[in-house]
Order: sequence, then structure tokens, then C-alpha cells
Amino acid sequence: AQTVTQSQPEMSVQEAETVTLSCTYDTSENNYYLFWYKQPPSRQMILVIRQEAYKQQNATENRFSVNFQKAAKSFSLKISDSQLGDTAMYFCAFMSRPGYALNFGKGTSLLVTP
Amino acid sequence: SAVISQKPSRDICQRGTSLTIQCQVDSQVTMMFWYRQQPGQSLTLIATANQGSEATYESGFVIDKFPISRPNLTFSTLTVSNMSPEDSSIYLCSVEDRSGTDEAFFGQGTRLTVV
Repeated sequence: AQTVTQSQPEMSVQEAETVTLSCTYDTSENNYYLFWYKQPPSRQMILVIRQEAYKQQNATENRFSVNFQKAAKSFSLKISDSQLGDTAMYFCAFMSRPGYALNFGKGTSLLVTP
Repeated sequence: SAVISQKPSRDICQRGTSLTIQCQVDSQVTMMFWYRQQPGQSLTLIATANQGSEATYESGFVIDKFPISRPNLTFSTLTVSNMSPEDSSIYLCSVEDRSGTDEAFFGQGTRLTVV
């Protein structure tokens, strides 16, 4: 079974600064999908960014980018120019193949301060 | 993308009773997933609901406690039966967008409190 580990329960960053959230995973598969989801207090799960394992290029979505190290099974999220609205719980998630459920890490609570 | 309407958004229930949560999707999907998020915790998969067949439950979850219906390709229900305070959680339904992104979409969640 795949496991996802987020070793940072809480993090804090000042507005406009950059923060990196860590995620490692364990799998024996070669092709899979990785995601970062954001969950604000509204409870709505919002996709931040996704990465397909067979793509070597790191995914980028505006201020959000990932550092995907397949050999190390590492998938960190970098948030640049942090905004107050980025305050939320962030979950790293693994999907073994399309149509399968997600395996989530325990989450990192990010607080962006003025 | 997929838009999911989940009801109710929250409820407070007496122990020993049952609550049925509904999940309506604006497009046809093959698989629907039900997750539980206990207070301050991550999401744990309860079961996978495939239209036309019995739901597949994860270890630690049983059909008698969490019966699931999937009558068509756009709708599913999860019932939390014979509730106890330990069932107090957020319950979320999810579907996957197979139109190309493989992104998972989530309902707004149901916050259940059992007293």
C-alpha cells in the first residue's frame, strides 16, 4: 500500500515570502499521480497542483510549484509571494492510476501572517 | 470539471440514530468515493461506489455501519448507522474528472456531530 508522509504539522510564513511544504511517499509503482490539495476553513478541498510521475518537468501553477524527485520519492510544494488567502491546511495526495482513490498525507497547517 | 452538491452541510444527531448523506454530481461518473475526516485529521477512504455493483469498503469500514447506494451515474448516498460520538467527523464525497486532468473533485463536506 502506498503511504504519504508530511512531516510538518504546522508552518508559518510572512506575507510575500516563500514557503516550502514537504511530502514524501512510498510506492513500488512506476507511473502514478501526485497532488497538493488545499482545505481552507470552509472545508472545501481545492486542487492546488498536480504532477504525473512520468513527466520529469516540475509542475507550476502561478505562485505554486513543485519539486518532484522521483528517485527520492519526494514531492514538495513551494508557495511564492505568500498571500493571506493561502492560509489553509495543505494535503499531499497520491493516486496510483486514473479512477482510483487518493491516499492523503496527514496535512500541514499553513498560516500566512501580515 | 465536475460540480458536486453534497447534503446536508452539517447536522447534529442523537446517538443511536442514522444519517444519510447525499452526493449529486452534474455529470456522469463511473466511480464515486466517500471519505471520512476526523477532527484535525486527514482524509481516510471509507469506500468506493461503482454504479451497478456493491460498494468496495476499506479495512476498518463495514457495510452494516456505512451502507452506500449508487442508483445511477450521478448520485450516491452514504448512511452513517447507529451513530456514536466517535462518528463525529466530516464526510466528503469525491469523483474523478476523466476528461483529461484526472483531477479529483470534492463535495463541500458534511460536518456530523453526534451527541
